[in-house]
Amino acid sequence: AAGVIQSPRHLIKEKRETATLKCYPIPRHDTVYWYQQGPGQDPQFLISFYEKMQSDKGSIPDRFSAQQFSDYHSELNMSSLELGDSALYFCASSPRPEKLFFGSGTQLSVL
Amino acid sequence: DAKTTQPPSMDCAEGRAANLPCNHSTISGNEYVYWYRQIHSQGPQYIIHGLKNNETNEMASLIITEDRKSSTLILPHATLRDTAVYYCIVRQRDDKIIFGKGTRLHILP
Repeated sequence: AAGVIQSPRHLIKEKRETATLKCYPIPRHDTVYWYQQGPGQDPQFLISFYEKMQSDKGSIPDRFSAQQFSDYHSELNMSSLELGDSALYFCASSPRPEKLFFGSGTQLSVL
Repeated sequence: DAKTTQPPSMDCAEGRAANLPCNHSTISGNEYVYWYRQIHSQGPQYIIHGLKNNETNEMASLIITEDRKSSTLILPHATLRDTAVYYCIVRQRDDKIIFGKGTRLHILP
């Protein structure tokens, strides 16, 4: 069965650089969620999209932005990266209002 | 605000049933109880969910008290691969998931 695909799996950036993470939801899933998980922490909700419109917003820094495209894939853009942005970033999709399916995550390391 | 309370860690012998408790005393009538788990650094995995009736699937059973203020996730025959952090989550069905602290379950050989 198709799963949520995230790319890249690993990303290394320098401070103040920009990063773009991509998420390809399961086909026919219309809702995408982004989560950030710092070392030793629980996943924190960042933002979600339903039918290409932002549907909810959590503790997402102003330096971050995201969007969902016409093919339902989503991108999380992070600018002016800081050391504290180093984390696992998970994307999840769901055929709203059902359960969420999570991808394997992108490990972002900011040096 | 945390809607659920779980013990931070639990141990269970391999082959035995693992019973993970969760308190959700402020749950409202239209909120479901969901359980997810996260095996080290992998994406969280859905286990089971319920509204007020007990539920069972191929992974686990969910027992919800009659007053809905608490629930128990039961893994009937725990294996080493069940070692993970287990999250009990209260949510409306079309809402985001908010992860709390979870229970770190250790399966002992």
